[in-house]
Amino acid sequence: EDQVTQSPEALRLQEGESSSLNCSYTVSGLRGLFWYRQDPGKGPEFLFTLYSAGEEKEKERLKATLTKKESFLHITAPKPEDSATYLCAVPRGQGGKLIFGQGTELSVKP
Amino acid sequence: NAGVTQTPKFQVLKTGQSMTLQCAQDMNHNSMYWYRQDPGMGLRLIYYSASEGTTDKGEVPNGYNVSRLNKREFSLRLESAAPSQTSVYFCACNRVRGTNQPQHFGDGTRLSIL
Repeated sequence: EDQVTQSPEALRLQEGESSSLNCSYTVSGLRGLFWYRQDPGKGPEFLFTLYSAGEEKEKERLKATLTKKESFLHITAPKPEDSATYLCAVPRGQGGKLIFGQGTELSVKP
Repeated sequence: NAGVTQTPKFQVLKTGQSMTLQCAQDMNHNSMYWYRQDPGMGLRLIYYSASEGTTDKGEVPNGYNVSRLNKREFSLRLESAAPSQTSVYFCACNRVRGTNQPQHFGDGTRLSIL
């Protein structure tokens, strides 16, 4: 069964303390992996698409990487404004359907 | 700003009442989706519309109906609301049916069924 698992469920960091979030997946024939950021009371906001193992994408303090079994979202020197829930998702079947992980809730304290 | 607009933002219903959640996008995207988000369950697909005139069931379609009114609008209807349908509902869209196009989300409708 296709599945996406994120860890940890919650992560508390001090400002400037770098860390990584994990997204592992079991899908046949990966056709891409998406990372989203979700703020409280808002919808998910698209961050990155990764298409193949070895690919990396960067945006400000965030860097996403992809292997054949998992993806990492590295956060370098985070700031309080990076606090949010981070979601990953992979396509399943036809029609653009996505399977989402349950998210990692990141809290960055000043 | 271009994007996905959902109405209403909040709603409280009594068990058995009906309601339609509205979604409109001005991104000129072809495919549209309805999800529900529950604590510990993540985002789950209810229905989707790959293009105007077509709709298909997702992971959790029971108790819901949808209408793709035109290219811009995709509505979700609860015919007889149940407490289990208390959730946050998100509408999303993407450019084409292809699976490598990111979906763009609205800010949700928070629905409580008493």
